[in-house]
Amino acid sequence: DVKVTQSSRYLVKRTGEKVFLECVQDMDHENMFWYRQDPGLGLRLIYFSYDVKMKEKGDIPEGYSVSREKKERFSLILESASTNQTSMYLCASSTTGRNTNEQFFGPGTRLTVL
Amino acid sequence: GQSLEQPSEVTAVEGAIVQINCTYQTSGFYGLSWYQQHDGGAPTFLSYNALDGLEETGRFSSFLSRSDSYGYLLLQELQMKDSASYFCAVRVSGFQKLVFGTGTRLLVSP
Repeated sequence: DVKVTQSSRYLVKRTGEKVFLECVQDMDHENMFWYRQDPGLGLRLIYFSYDVKMKEKGDIPEGYSVSREKKERFSLILESASTNQTSMYLCASSTTGRNTNEQFFGPGTRLTVL
Repeated sequence: GQSLEQPSEVTAVEGAIVQINCTYQTSGFYGLSWYQQHDGGAPTFLSYNALDGLEETGRFSSFLSRSDSYGYLLLQELQMKDSASYFCAVRVSGFQKLVFGTGTRLLVSP
């Protein structure tokens, strides 16, 4: 059974803290994605990676960075958390092979920044 | 810019048929996907259309018209468990970058 896991379901941090969100997939997928989901705004792409050590900006990369040192792991970093980064963060992965158009999502991390 | 428009909410009764529309304006187009998300859950993939026409998967069908920049998801024989949010998403690059719509909340009543 395919699986994308995220390190925390709920996280509370203070303004200015450095925050790490971890995502691990066990499907040997090449592509990994970080989205944030806010009511009325849908899912917005923050960053994605199509290979180890490769990264591309999405639509809202400001205030975020990412790291992909291993194929199965993709980390989202908030360098200095701010209250407007309070959101649900979703990680996803997909293959470049067959069924390449399906993205598999993790359960999400609900981050609150106080 | 990139924009996808879909209705914010649709209501229907069990056993009925409902259509959720999606119109898009994007800088690139490789295909239109649909995802389902139950409250508190992760989005799950339903369908993908790269070419014009209708794709059927059980009770769900998805349609695409590239010339009209339009697609829809058709749900037949509605069940209570179909109550969820439905998102259309356009693949805008060869790297599978998706741009999502804001979602349609479907409420199915008995």
